[in-house]
Amino acid sequence: SQQGEEDPQALSIQEGENATMNCSYKTSINNLQWYRQNSGRGLVHLILIRSNEREKHSGRLRVTLDTSKKSSSLLITASRAADTASYFCATDAVGGGATNKLIFGTGTLLAVQP
Amino acid sequence: EAGVTQFPSHSVIEKGQTVTLRCDPISGHDNLYWYRRVMGKEIKFLLHFVKESKQDESGMPNNRFLAERTGGTYSTLKVQPAELEDSGVYFCASSQGSRSSPLHFGNGTRLTVT
Repeated sequence: SQQGEEDPQALSIQEGENATMNCSYKTSINNLQWYRQNSGRGLVHLILIRSNEREKHSGRLRVTLDTSKKSSSLLITASRAADTASYFCATDAVGGGATNKLIFGTGTLLAVQP
Repeated sequence: EAGVTQFPSHSVIEKGQTVTLRCDPISGHDNLYWYRRVMGKEIKFLLHFVKESKQDESGMPNNRFLAERTGGTYSTLKVQPAELEDSGVYFCASSQGSRSSPLHFGNGTRLTVT
């Protein structure tokens, strides 16, 4: 498996439901970030959680981090059709030097049905 | 503020030809990154510039790829000669400040080598 591997690969829900995506990684990290990509567009930064944090909120987003299990989850509450996109976790591994060399996974494709 | 812009948005070339991709980062961003996503796989780091200097080019696949950043402003990524496996979406991102600063991505260049 790859560093920053998301699960599930695809998720389809109804508007108003919650969406949960999971991410697993392999190495020690400085932080973990979640990005969203709408079809044909660039990635947009959603939220960053540092290795010493366990949970973080931003609007309808809730991110958790369990460094002992090397895993993170992204929860989107009260989903909207506009949340339809691919979601990627990205890790900033310890020892990366001065470079913010993020390691991305293959992403979760979220479809929110109106 | 203008975002990260990439040109062209699409490029279709034949094997053996040369292609040059361009990225204009957000004004004032010293950090510039190139990433690539090959079909169905994860987004992979290629290299990182700080101003005009290459900070880390450990992700460059081989010597057919040449990246430059003239005067610390825009950057180009040249593939010469292109091979079939070079097909994918090439993303540029920029950031300012610390390594935990979020990356701002362009919409990418979709390269198809036939």
